[in-house]
Amino acid sequence: GPKVLQIPSHQIIDMGQMVTLNCDPVSNHLYFYWYKQILGQQMEFLVNFYNGKVMEKSKLFKDQFSVERPDGSYFTLKIQPTALEDSAVYFCASSSDRGDTEVFFGKGTRLTVV
Amino acid sequence: QQKVQQSPESLIVPEGAMTSLNCTFSDSASQYFAWYRQHSGKAPKALMSIFSNGEKEEGRFTIHLNKASLHFSLHIRDSQPSDSALYLCAVSQASSSFSKLVFGQGTSLSVVP
Repeated sequence: GPKVLQIPSHQIIDMGQMVTLNCDPVSNHLYFYWYKQILGQQMEFLVNFYNGKVMEKSKLFKDQFSVERPDGSYFTLKIQPTALEDSAVYFCASSSDRGDTEVFFGKGTRLTVV
Repeated sequence: QQKVQQSPESLIVPEGAMTSLNCTFSDSASQYFAWYRQHSGKAPKALMSIFSNGEKEEGRFTIHLNKASLHFSLHIRDSQPSDSALYLCAVSQASSSFSKLVFGQGTSLSVVP
């Protein structure tokens, strides 16, 4: 079935450095999402993105976060600078522009900020 | 702010049994209700969804929604070891899944032979 690929699966980074999480969404999907899951907690919505723009973001989407999908390539989440509390699993997801459709998730990238 | 709670946190059932998973939500304006299943090390995958009050059956799986009670559930008939996974309920205010999904914390299901 359709797959969302996330690269890398695990990344360790020093606090204060920049990190970019990459997502290869399902081809021909137009809506993209990032969710964050801190260990032991619920998966929480960060942001959704359509037609080159952020449509909605949650309070978890701090000023240090940004998303983009330049020229139909990877959909990325950039954190600059990183903080210890950014350690979590980040799930990318995508959906088509049709109604009544499911959201396809990737396996997640485990980010560890040390 | 929407709150979504699942019960139980974990469940062990024998193969062939009926499994019932529960999800409550706080926002009565919610319009889209879904169950996702996540096998260990895999991506969460949509299992079933419903918009209107009532029941919807797909194979061994039935989703039941009662908006007045702010509750929906997933029932698995003839549970199989391959059903062992983390089950996540999700709720959205929009009439499609485009809007943000609010997830529960998950129910870990183990089906033992």
